[in-house]
Amino acid sequence: DIVLTQTPLSLSVTPGQPASISCKSNQSLLHSDGETYLYWYLQKAGQPPQVLIYEVSKRFSGVPDRFSGSGSGTDFTLKINRMEADDVGVYYCMQSLELPLTFGPGTKVEIK
Amino acid sequence: VQLVESGGDLVQPGGSLRLSCEVSGFTFSSHAMTWVRQGPGKGLEWVSGINGIGGSTYYTDSVNGRFTISRDNSKNTLYLQMNSLRADDTAIYYCARLVTGGWYMDSWGQGILVTVSS
Repeated sequence: DIVLTQTPLSLSVTPGQPASISCKSNQSLLHSDGETYLYWYLQKAGQPPQVLIYEVSKRFSGVPDRFSGSGSGTDFTLKINRMEADDVGVYYCMQSLELPLTFGPGTKVEIK
Repeated sequence: VQLVESGGDLVQPGGSLRLSCEVSGFTFSSHAMTWVRQGPGKGLEWVSGINGIGGSTYYTDSVNGRFTISRDNSKNTLYLQMNSLRADDTAIYYCARLVTGGWYMDSWGQGILVTVSS
């Protein structure tokens, strides 16, 4: 199985300040079709996850542009430009290069 | 797009349960579907997936042979038959729609709680 690790596991961010979460895979997530199947989800308290970023850097419909994704191969980053109160929750990276689909352990992001 | 799970319950170890996920707002048969679970205070774990016509099914190792995913496209409903339940199957179970090509989840139900305990 592909193993995803995230750092940090928790983060406290001042409103208006940037935040960054790293996700590393134990193998490349680059498919032979040229796409890299790495995604970012946010799970707010008491809610199902919601997709933020698909295929490394593509913002999902309706996601604010303060969220951005980058990376390649095995190393990926989610950045929040300016933290807002509504961004609190647990962030997960996920891969769909191969089954089983696997998630990172999650990064809990709080407001300072 | 709406996905509504049902069927969650308290069940004894070794028991069985069938979860349902009724969907609306999109062409059900055009999408692969999946179940993802989240144990109490834990992260997300992919459980099972099925293609649009139901001919191909996939499972994580820990449920393979115990769980069966299926769908009825005439009823816009996804199912998860869970047998030989164990305490570590206790979780909120989410059904989710998979995006064609990328196989990632873009719409989720609110989740249903399954508790396995004596």
